[in-house]
Amino acid sequence: QQQVKQSPQSLIVQKGGISIINCAYENTAFDYFPWYQQFPGKGPALLIAIRPDVSEKKEGRFTISFNKSAKQFSLHIMDSQPGDSATYFCAARAGGGADGLTFGKGTHLIIQP
Amino acid sequence: DGGITQSPKYLFRKEGQNVTLSCEQNLNHDAMYWYRQDPGQGLRLIYYSQIVNDFQKGDIAEGYSVSREKKESFPLTVTSAQKNPTAFYLCASSFPGRSSELFFGSGTQLSVL
Repeated sequence: QQQVKQSPQSLIVQKGGISIINCAYENTAFDYFPWYQQFPGKGPALLIAIRPDVSEKKEGRFTISFNKSAKQFSLHIMDSQPGDSATYFCAARAGGGADGLTFGKGTHLIIQP
Repeated sequence: DGGITQSPKYLFRKEGQNVTLSCEQNLNHDAMYWYRQDPGQGLRLIYYSQIVNDFQKGDIAEGYSVSREKKESFPLTVTSAQKNPTAFYLCASSFPGRSSELFFGSGTQLSVL
């Protein structure tokens, strides 16, 4: 059973446009929702994260929107650049989180120049 | 230069052979994790360890084994019982109580000859 559902699987956006990636979850014990960015042949790196008591968090061109009642959260990349082309993973952590993170299946983002 | 080092970057396994993937960290993290990444499947947890000489199975532990004899090291053995070992393997570490902030190595690509 997939605990974090991520969509779309792939996304093509023109340079300067807005990239939007969505995730949904069922487990109400999740209390922390990070996004990771991965370039080919590299390990993922933490991009931005949010807790469920906040509806939005912004860091530069990256924004997480969180809807607790709908159990959904999304990543928005404003003014998308070719250097943003990567695979993005949403993730979630249950309370305590000793067993790490549960990841979505990833979104392959391509920004066309 | 602190970080997580995985070796080798590429590894080939013959039929019936056990292979060991190395993971070393100098971040002074107590917790370490192994994830398996398959195209379009996201990251799935194999094993994790919160402290030296202790480790727990993740979601897909069958066919794998680990040891944690030193805080800095968490090697993963892919045994002959793992019938579909071809994947990208990622090691991660974190401070205790903050498992959401995972720091990843650059991965090992394992292929079957």
